[in-house]
Amino acid sequence: DSGVTQTPKHLITATGQRVTLRCSPRSGDLSVYWYQQSLDQGLQFLIQYYNGEERAKGNILERFSAQQFPDLHSELNLSSLELGDSALYFCASSLGLDDTIYFGEGSWLTVV
Amino acid sequence: QQQVKQSPQSLIVQKGGISIINCAYENTAFDYFPWYQQFPGKGPALLIAIRPDVSEKKEGRFTISFNKSAKQFSLHIMDSQPGDSATYFCAASRQNYGQNFVFGPGTRLSVLP
Repeated sequence: DSGVTQTPKHLITATGQRVTLRCSPRSGDLSVYWYQQSLDQGLQFLIQYYNGEERAKGNILERFSAQQFPDLHSELNLSSLELGDSALYFCASSLGLDDTIYFGEGSWLTVV
Repeated sequence: QQQVKQSPQSLIVQKGGISIINCAYENTAFDYFPWYQQFPGKGPALLIAIRPDVSEKKEGRFTISFNKSAKQFSLHIMDSQPGDSATYFCAASRQNYGQNFVFGPGTRLSVLP
């Protein structure tokens, strides 16, 4: 168990809908990362937050947004969902910017 | 230039054998190269990592070999065990920019008993 908690574990939703994925980082970790894993794109970095502020952006679509709250948990919001958004979404956390990151077990999103 | 290439896509090894997975990168600004291991239904977990100031790093049965001039690095798993059967990802990032990895596509390793 990495200590990173993600909810929900599985989610099925229809195209056009909006979902929110939630992440609780390891206790004490200030940095949170979101990654997307799909068969065709592999593991892709989406976005990083550090102590509540956006730190870096990767291949995140404009339909997607994230935030990190004062208690350091994070949410990834996915809107106007398309079939191609079906993927495993991982949250990861680290103590600082260059410390080892620990991945959660992911949230499986299926868009039908 | 952001891409990390990885081969082979899949690998079958007998118990006790050596598993070798290779990766190559283009961006010379990368200076941190970890390997992650992922079991089905789990998130990736850090296995071993190297920085370009050394050519080799060993931790137990796992060794990273790094060739800076060729921009290549590889993972060697000695005495491979069935419990090593998993998907392995190489990755690269730039220090001081956070752990925003560029991952390779992964290698599915099966170790036969």
